[in-house]
Amino acid sequence: AQRVTQPEKLLSVFKGAPVELKCNYSYSGSPELFWYVQYSRQRLQLLLRHISRESIKGFTADLNKGETSFHLKKPFAQEEDSAMYYCAPHRGRRALTFGSGTRLQVQP
Amino acid sequence: GAVVSQHPSWVICKSGTSVKIECRSLDFQATTMFWYRQFPKQSLMLMATSNEGSKATYEQGVEKDKFLINHASLTLSTLTVTSAHPEDSSFYICSATRDSNSPLHFGNGTRLTVT
Repeated sequence: AQRVTQPEKLLSVFKGAPVELKCNYSYSGSPELFWYVQYSRQRLQLLLRHISRESIKGFTADLNKGETSFHLKKPFAQEEDSAMYYCAPHRGRRALTFGSGTRLQVQP
Repeated sequence: GAVVSQHPSWVICKSGTSVKIECRSLDFQATTMFWYRQFPKQSLMLMATSNEGSKATYEQGVEKDKFLINHASLTLSTLTVTSAHPEDSSFYICSATRDSNSPLHFGNGTRLTVT
């Protein structure tokens, strides 16, 4: 089964500090991995996908097949980045089981 | 744009009754909609994929006769929890996409409580 693990439930950093939200996957084949974000009182939304290799809101994520990881990184966290972040594998358009999520708190 | 509306936001029902949850794409045509379930303190799990005009595809372990999905138009998919039991109490979320190259857009979710 395609599965992802987000080991940290809560990550608290100060504004301006670097951020890395961890995501490890455990399945074979060519993974399609996405990051989703849910800001307070808002619905879940796509943040970025690994195939596009894009940077959204300063966040990037590189697929590391050797380490089976897809960590989300941002060099300088902002208070508005505080949210719940989910890593999710996709098969085509289907987002399968999401990771358990990591709550990012950026303190002033 | 790309708004997905889910209704109701919450519902309480008695055991044995059926509950219908609607998922609407308000400003785009959704060829595919997805239904997820989230248990307390757990993550979202895909239940089924709903394609307009055809039968839904259910994930392993999801009872299709229990969770009836209808996607009769390009803007509406419904999930009916039949003969609900307390263990069906959960948070149900839908998402929709225009096509295979478009991102998923999520509804706000429906909290179902079965007493």
